[in-house]
Amino acid sequence: AQSVTQPDIHITVSEGASLELRCNYSYGATPYLFWYVQSPGQGLQLLLKYFSGDTLVQGIKGFEAEFKRSQSSFNLRKPSVHWSDAAEYFCAVGAMDSSYKLIFGSGTRLLVRP
Amino acid sequence: EPEVTQTPSHQVTQMGQEVILRCVPISNHLYFYWYRQILGQKVEFLVSFYNNEISEKSEIFDDQFSVERPDGSNFTLKIRSTKLEDSAMYFCASSADRGQGGEQYFGPGTRLTVT
Repeated sequence: AQSVTQPDIHITVSEGASLELRCNYSYGATPYLFWYVQSPGQGLQLLLKYFSGDTLVQGIKGFEAEFKRSQSSFNLRKPSVHWSDAAEYFCAVGAMDSSYKLIFGSGTRLLVRP
Repeated sequence: EPEVTQTPSHQVTQMGQEVILRCVPISNHLYFYWYRQILGQKVEFLVSFYNNEISEKSEIFDDQFSVERPDGSNFTLKIRSTKLEDSAMYFCASSADRGQGGEQYFGPGTRLTVT
């Protein structure tokens, strides 16, 4: 069965520091992978996606993620975090069945120290 | 930029009552979804809808739930007899395609509180 694991429930970084949020997936074939961000009281905004091709994908707000098939990972990175990046981040895999539903990880809450 | 809208933003209802959550997907999208997020938990798939029928539903989506696209623009989720455990944030999503390029756009959500 498809699943997504985000091992870090909370991460705290200082403003200006680099960030890496971990995501591991379980899927038989090449997955469709996504990162979404949810600010408090808001909906889910797509940061970036991976379907195929270049394993390093660029997204909005200066985020990038790297697909590593050998490690079943799709970690999200940002070189310099801003206070406005404080939010919850969800990794998701797209199911390759009749629904193409998204299967989400449990999320990582990012706190940014001034 | 087109966006998915949802109404109401917050709905409070008593246990056993019927609720209808409304969504207006992006106008040229063809695939529609409902997800829910219980407070502090992950976002869970409820149902997908295409060509006026359900394409898949989760175990959560039992006989108390139904979806409808009544007029070609709205997409509704009905819960016939709400239970306390239905309290959650409900998100509607739509996509133009499936698979590659079929990214899902989410609405802001409806917070349902069952008392």
